[in-house]
Amino acid sequence: EAGVAQSPRYKIIEKRQSVAFWCNPISGHATLYWYQQILGQGPKLLIQFQNNGVVDDSQLPKDRFSAERLKGVDSTLKIQPAKLEDSAVYLCASSLGQGAHQETQYFGPGTRLLVL
Amino acid sequence: AQSVAQPEDQVNVAEGNPLTVKCTYSVSGNPYLFWYVQYPNRGLQFLLKYITGDNLVKGSYGFEAEFNKSQTSFHLKKPSALVSDSALYFCAVRASYGGATNKLIFGTGTLLAVQP
Repeated sequence: EAGVAQSPRYKIIEKRQSVAFWCNPISGHATLYWYQQILGQGPKLLIQFQNNGVVDDSQLPKDRFSAERLKGVDSTLKIQPAKLEDSAVYLCASSLGQGAHQETQYFGPGTRLLVL
Repeated sequence: AQSVAQPEDQVNVAEGNPLTVKCTYSVSGNPYLFWYVQYPNRGLQFLLKYITGDNLVKGSYGFEAEFNKSQTSFHLKKPSALVSDSALYFCAVRASYGGATNKLIFGTGTLLAVQP
């Protein structure tokens, strides 16, 4: 079974530029998550989708971050404009659903973003 | 508010010796608890979870964890450490309040170093 795919793996941009990350979840997984992991910290949820609907985006800085999952499969996370403090690893995860035994989250390799 | 504490930034153990990585949590209601491992430049890999039932949970690669409700702990253990176990370990909690979000709250991670 293929895992969660993410691209690109690395990205370097200058502040105020825009950047987009792509994620393809495990086939059949209805729930998709984007996490931000700053160096030395644990991952923090940015947004959670159930199929193509947003379940939780309370931690998403909506003035600069946006995400979509239009067809309920793959997803894109965008930052515009980027700030220095956005330097982090962006992790995508997916789970079968939201029941107790369906919600183990499986993570992709992440995209490492450096903002200069 | 939900929180997870991993009191040790680093744990050092000799190969062949037993290892313990500590985790305590704070959550309203019954917790769902998870352990993940992260190797350099890789995403998080799921090790094991506690939802309900037996307090001793067995997971991947010979790891196990013991849920202790009175001490609000979920320590990760392995009877005999391998050099290849050296990695960053994250504990995470999710409240089982039945809300829409499956958001995981992660600890800050514990670096496990196994010396040959």
